[in-house]
Amino acid sequence: SAVISQKPSRDICQRGTSLTIQCQVDSQVTMMFWYRQQPGQSLTLIATANQGSEATYESGFVIDKFPISRPNLTFSTLTVSNLSPEDSSIYLCSVRQGGDYEQYFGPGTRLTVT
Amino acid sequence: QQQVKQSPQSLIVQKGGISIINCAYENTAFDYFPWYQQFPGKGPALLIAIRPDVSEKKEGRFTISFNKSAKQFSLHIMDSQPGDSATYFCAAEGSNYQLIWGAGTKLIIKP
Repeated sequence: SAVISQKPSRDICQRGTSLTIQCQVDSQVTMMFWYRQQPGQSLTLIATANQGSEATYESGFVIDKFPISRPNLTFSTLTVSNLSPEDSSIYLCSVRQGGDYEQYFGPGTRLTVT
Repeated sequence: QQQVKQSPQSLIVQKGGISIINCAYENTAFDYFPWYQQFPGKGPALLIAIRPDVSEKKEGRFTISFNKSAKQFSLHIMDSQPGDSATYFCAAEGSNYQLIWGAGTKLIIKP
């Protein structure tokens, strides 16, 4: 299974600022996903990030608010822009390796917006 | 049609008992059904998964039962232990390899 790390593990940010979350994988993967999880809730997919192409965003999520980069097969970033308290959540990256159905998750980044 | 319905929302089981969590789906195009275990402050961890060509899969104390005709699948945890206390999510893989998630079940194992 892939080993995934995320940075930062948690952060407290002021309203109106931005936070960039990094996701690093220990092996090359074809697909990476970014999720949001409110405490005690299920996971909501923000976008799918494939190397070499624009990220595909789910309904309710837009590129201006959640820009994503995927410069290579082991790394991706998610930026949460123009932060508001409603953005306080846990943000998770996950990966799916080609030909393997299994999807693995990073430890998450807990964001608190004040 | 893209939903996965999970029940119960919470479950309390005595140590040594059997924990059962159920999920139902509508979309017959789903072809992969994983279960994830999540501890507080951690990311979800893949526990066990099944494809619809089999009716049951067992890994240690964890078993998935799959009923294709009823479009239901369930997780059974045998000999439940306090260390199994966590939130469990079922999911189904839809188009574009995206997982459709159940709402989650908070499992508490009483010693």
